[in-house]
Amino acid sequence: GEDVEQSLFLSVREGDSSVINCTYTDSSSTYLYWYKQEPGAGLQLLTYIFSNMDMKQDQRLTVLLNKKDKHLSLRIADTQTGDSAIYFCAESFESWGKFQFGAGTQVVVTP
Amino acid sequence: NAGVTQTPKFRILKIGQSMTLQCTQDMNHNYMYWYRQDPGMGLKLIYYSVGAGITDKGEVPNGYNVSRSTTEDFPLRLELAAPSQTSVYFCASSPAPDRDTQYFGPGTRLTVL
Repeated sequence: GEDVEQSLFLSVREGDSSVINCTYTDSSSTYLYWYKQEPGAGLQLLTYIFSNMDMKQDQRLTVLLNKKDKHLSLRIADTQTGDSAIYFCAESFESWGKFQFGAGTQVVVTP
Repeated sequence: NAGVTQTPKFRILKIGQSMTLQCTQDMNHNYMYWYRQDPGMGLKLIYYSVGAGITDKGEVPNGYNVSRSTTEDFPLRLELAAPSQTSVYFCASSPAPDRDTQYFGPGTRLTVL
């Protein structure tokens, strides 16, 4: 099975908050990331968190990390139509040089 | 900086044909990666490289080959194309595996018929 798991779909109304969840199995990761992919484009980094932190805020984005439960979440405040995209959770490992990605969560923002 | 560039953007191959997907980065990054993204799936690592002359297999290397003769270039070779290789291919680079993120190219959409 996947080492990084995400729900596949989220629908949210414009102006509401979105919460995208991710669980991972390997606790040796050093950084955890959220990427955004718009249609026909590559992945763009949204934000990342070091594995010894539990929260990071960046404008409308809030990342929460629960290391005990191996759970990562991304909250988008005041969701806009431009936030419609696929969001990928990922983790990186110092000793590997590799990144492990989840399958992505499709976020659809409705007016 | 142009970042990570990939060519071609689109390609249609017949079964058994060969091709090379090009990837170049101008950020002097040591680490480079090739991923494939199938519909509704996450990215799967094909090959990666930690520096010129050094490559290693990822999760799904079968049917592909890579080389890294320079820091800038990391081409991906498909020798005998199969329909199962129909996918979107992304190249990425990073300065280090854990202290920074990956920078992605725009992708190559490959169809094998």
